[in-house]
Amino acid sequence: ETGVTQTPRHLVMGMTNKKSLKCEQHLGHNAMYWYKQSAKKPLELMFVYNFKEQTENNSVPSRFSPECPNSSHLFLHLHTLQPEDSALYLCASSHEASKAFFGQGTRLTVV
Amino acid sequence: QKEVEQDPGPLSVPEGAIVSLNCTYSNSAFQYFMWYRQYSRKGPELLMYTYSSGNKEDGRFTAQVDKSSKYISLFIRDSQPSDSATYLCAMSEGLTGGGNKLTFGTGTQLKVEL
Repeated sequence: ETGVTQTPRHLVMGMTNKKSLKCEQHLGHNAMYWYKQSAKKPLELMFVYNFKEQTENNSVPSRFSPECPNSSHLFLHLHTLQPEDSALYLCASSHEASKAFFGQGTRLTVV
Repeated sequence: QKEVEQDPGPLSVPEGAIVSLNCTYSNSAFQYFMWYRQYSRKGPELLMYTYSSGNKEDGRFTAQVDKSSKYISLFIRDSQPSDSATYLCAMSEGLTGGGNKLTFGTGTQLKVEL
């Protein structure tokens, strides 16, 4: 248990569906992140939030929409995804620019 | 050229061997260096964290950073079958707005055999 909890662990959705991924951290950190992990590729940073404000958007398509209502919760809203968006989506948190702790991820399959 | 280069393996060693995992990088702005272990179908788990050149030891694990050569290493002594996993190197620079931006290697798959 890393103190970062992601739900759901697995998700299958059609290309016309709308779904949301949830992340909660119990570490008192101020920064939260979404990463994408695809097979044979390095983890890709998607979004960074610091004290609820988005500080980085790594050229992510608008079909991915993040939301950070407070420093402990982070969401990733998904709509009209493509099969190539199937991947492991990882949430992480850190205190400032320090070490990041990851959740177990949501395995997303788009059909 | 990728910012972080890491041999994907797979690397297979006998139990008890010393394992050496390495990454090279090109961005001089990287200040923090990490090694993560990732088991299949799990999230990455932080193993080692350093922010300066030199060695850092924690149990059977030693992390080494050489900023002048832009080269980092992770050594695992007395390797065990439970060490079988994918090892990811990661490096970061702070972001102006706060938080950090981790850049990862592709990961090295390690198998420790009985």
